[in-house]
Parts: sequence; C-alpha cells; structure tokens
Amino acid sequence: RKEVEQDPGPFNVPEGATVAFNCTYSNSASQSFFWYRQDCRKEPKLLMSVYSSGNEDGRFTAQLNRASQYISLLIRDSKLSDSATYLCVVNGAYKYIFGTGTRLKVLA
Amino acid sequence: DAGVIQSPRHEVTEMGQEVTLRCKPISGHDYLFWYRQTMMRGLELLIYFNNNVPIDDSGMPEDRFSAKMPNASFSTLKIQPSEPRDSAVYFCASSPGLYTEAFFGQGTRLTVV
Repeated sequence: RKEVEQDPGPFNVPEGATVAFNCTYSNSASQSFFWYRQDCRKEPKLLMSVYSSGNEDGRFTAQLNRASQYISLLIRDSKLSDSATYLCVVNGAYKYIFGTGTRLKVLA
Repeated sequence: DAGVIQSPRHEVTEMGQEVTLRCKPISGHDYLFWYRQTMMRGLELLIYFNNNVPIDDSGMPEDRFSAKMPNASFSTLKIQPSEPRDSAVYFCASSPGLYTEAFFGQGTRLTVV
C-alpha cells in the first residue's frame, strides 16, 4: 500500500461547480498535512495547510479525519484558473510524502 | 527573498556522463529536500538534510546517486554515471521546520539520451 494515495482523476467540471478530492494516508503517526497545487511544468506550491478542526480559505475548505486517516479538499464555485494538479502531502516520520496528485480541469 | 534557487533549469546529457544539480535553499531554513518527479511515479523523496546533515537517504535509488550539503546555503545532487531512466524533473525544497510548509525551487528538467 502506498503511504499516500489519491485518485489521479482527471476531474472535468464546469465553471461554478463544486468539486471534492480525498486523500488517504497509511501512517497513523503523521503530524501535519497539506494540499499543494502544481501547474503544468511548474513547481508545487502550497495551497493550504490542513488543521484538525478543518479550515477554510475563500472557496477552499480542507478537512482532516484522523480516525479514518484521510484528508479532503473542497473547491466551491470552480474557476478556469483552478485547473491544475492537486497534491496531498503528509508529514510523517519526519519527511514530506506526496500523493501522486489529482488532476482538475475546469471547463468553460 | 529569492526563494529556493536551482540550477541548471534544463540539462541534456548523454548516458554515462556525470550530472550535477545544484540548489540554494531559502536562508534560515534548516531542512533541505531533494525530490524526483516522473509521470509514472509522481514526486519521490530522494534525501533530506537537517542543518546540513543527511538524515534520510532511503529514497536514493542507487549508488549512482549522491547528495551533499557542504554548508547551509548550498546542496548538490550528483548522478554518476547517468542513465536514460534517470530522466525526470528534480526538485529541491527547503523548510524552516519539521512540520511546516516546504518551499520548492523551479526544478531541473533532466534528459539523459
């Protein structure tokens, strides 16, 4: 089993739609969690950290479920500019482990 | 701050040649990470350093790969000899702490022919 697993997609959604991604992790001792965004041929950049109580940043909401060992990302009112690959990151055993990413394409 | 700086941005080399990738982390960051990204395997952690000391190199694929961090502002990843299957994008990232955000450089796109 991979340490961090994501559905690769692609998720093709119309503008204005709500879309959600999940990510599961295997190390129950993991300490911190993030969502990164990666545009084509660019480096990954932090989208948001994920806190135990859940957190929101504008149209983006992140949730953590420690009992079931998964994190989620919800994007509301999708924009064309949201088209990218979204990487789940779990920090466990003192290193950042990336999922393979979920590709999102927002259609006009 | 200029962010994490990697060089070169692109490298094309022939099989068997030595390749050296360079990274300058963000000043004050104690952690430095080297990642490799391919379509098939995604982002793989190769090695990371804490205060210039290699902590975990379990992701280094073979003895052909080596990494050094002679000081807090510079690290290298060397492949000798290179092989076509080493073709990938290599990212360097740095972080101020263990559980905080990691900042990535723009990557080095390596092609071994």
